[in-house]
Amino acid sequence: GAVVSQHPSWVICKSGTSVKIECRSLDFQATTMFWYRQFPKQSLMLMATSNEGSKATYEQGVEKDKFLINHASLTLSTLTVTSAHPEDSSFYICSALVEGVTYNEQFFGPGTRLTVL
Amino acid sequence: AQSVTQLGSHVSVSEGALVLLRCNYSSSVPPYLFWYVQYPNQGLQLLLKYTSAATLVKGINGFEAEFKKSETSFHLTKPSAHMSDAAEYFCAVSLESSASKIIFGSGTRLSIRP
Repeated sequence: GAVVSQHPSWVICKSGTSVKIECRSLDFQATTMFWYRQFPKQSLMLMATSNEGSKATYEQGVEKDKFLINHASLTLSTLTVTSAHPEDSSFYICSALVEGVTYNEQFFGPGTRLTVL
Repeated sequence: AQSVTQLGSHVSVSEGALVLLRCNYSSSVPPYLFWYVQYPNQGLQLLLKYTSAATLVKGINGFEAEFKKSETSFHLTKPSAHMSDAAEYFCAVSLESSASKIIFGSGTRLSIRP
């Protein structure tokens, strides 16, 4: 089946530094990937849609200069949290879109826990 | 605008008892509906999905859900709870077959009592 991986699974960084999170589709190619953010005991909130070879589409309220998304290949999208602050600490989950005959489906990665000190 | 409401942020049942997690949706067009499960510190795993075929949908791990248009509901059930079912469950809706916009409910934490 469609497998999506994320790296790293967890990361701790100092305030002011930048952190890059990778999302890979392991056994399929994904033109479209998505990045979600999940705060403790809350639901997933879509941050942005990542399209291979073009600029990402950000949801309202998400700072594009802070959360840089690059989808340079059909199997890899990266999310870089620039100048991270403690309020950026969260669980970041990516998904990759599999296009079917009648319906598409998102497959989710295992998530990355970011803690900013 | 579409939305999903999960009734009950926490449900606790005894092992072997019926599991019922409630989900109501709001949509102006026929929706695509999903249930996902999330174990601690892990991503989401699809349990089942409704895509306008049979109204009773069977998923993995013995779960099933029934789409009731008249009640705008898509409740998740399992006849007999197992300890391994303890997790967070999310109901979600998409209005498009493209699945480019999935709206998640707030989640229900399922606890299983021995």
